[in-house]
Amino acid sequence: AQSVTQLDSHVSVSEGTPVLLRCNYSSSYSPSLFWYVQHPNKGLQLLLKYTSAATLVKGINGFEAEFKKSETSFHLTKPSAHMSDAAEYFCVVSSMEYGNKLVFGAGTILRVKS
Amino acid sequence: NAGVTQTPKFRVLKTGQSMTLLCAQDMNHEYMYWYRQDPGMGLRLIHYSVGEGTTAKGEVPDGYNVSRLKKQNFLLGLESAAPSQTSVYFCASSYEAGPSYEQYFGPGTRLTVT
Repeated sequence: AQSVTQLDSHVSVSEGTPVLLRCNYSSSYSPSLFWYVQHPNKGLQLLLKYTSAATLVKGINGFEAEFKKSETSFHLTKPSAHMSDAAEYFCVVSSMEYGNKLVFGAGTILRVKS
Repeated sequence: NAGVTQTPKFRVLKTGQSMTLLCAQDMNHEYMYWYRQDPGMGLRLIHYSVGEGTTAKGEVPDGYNVSRLKKQNFLLGLESAAPSQTSVYFCASSYEAGPSYEQYFGPGTRLTVT
């Protein structure tokens, strides 16, 4: 079974409009969930993480994500997109089921139009 | 404090050639990881190390070997390169394993095998 599913391979928004990147996960154990961002030709940077504390997690650069156990989702949002947000975003799960290693989704490329 | 560095940044190999990718970290981290990134597949773990002198297989280890002779360095070797190994390779390190410990990523090595 797919452990992490990013529901959109590409998302396009206009500058100043909200961003929603969708992620669903599967895990038999309590998972930890992460969002990483990768700007073109760069390494990965951690945006935010959920590790069983508050279900609404705030990250860097105005991003936040909400852990919804009933929906097995961890969607990433931002109220207002900036041109500098254009990048690829990865949803990542870690749990005992996966040996506490990081399991990456396929990625969502975010395009921001001026 | 350079974080995680990778050498080289780019390389082109012919089928059957060998090469070694070097990863170095200056954060005194115990854990180090090698991933490959392919379009539409996210990052997949090749091998990892839980400390100096130790290595273990990840999700896609075939065709690769690794060594961790010094705590700060983690080498990834391709003994006989194949076109299927064309990819972007990322090294990462963390202080410990598990979701409470962030993995820090290097900038990547883009390898093409012709």
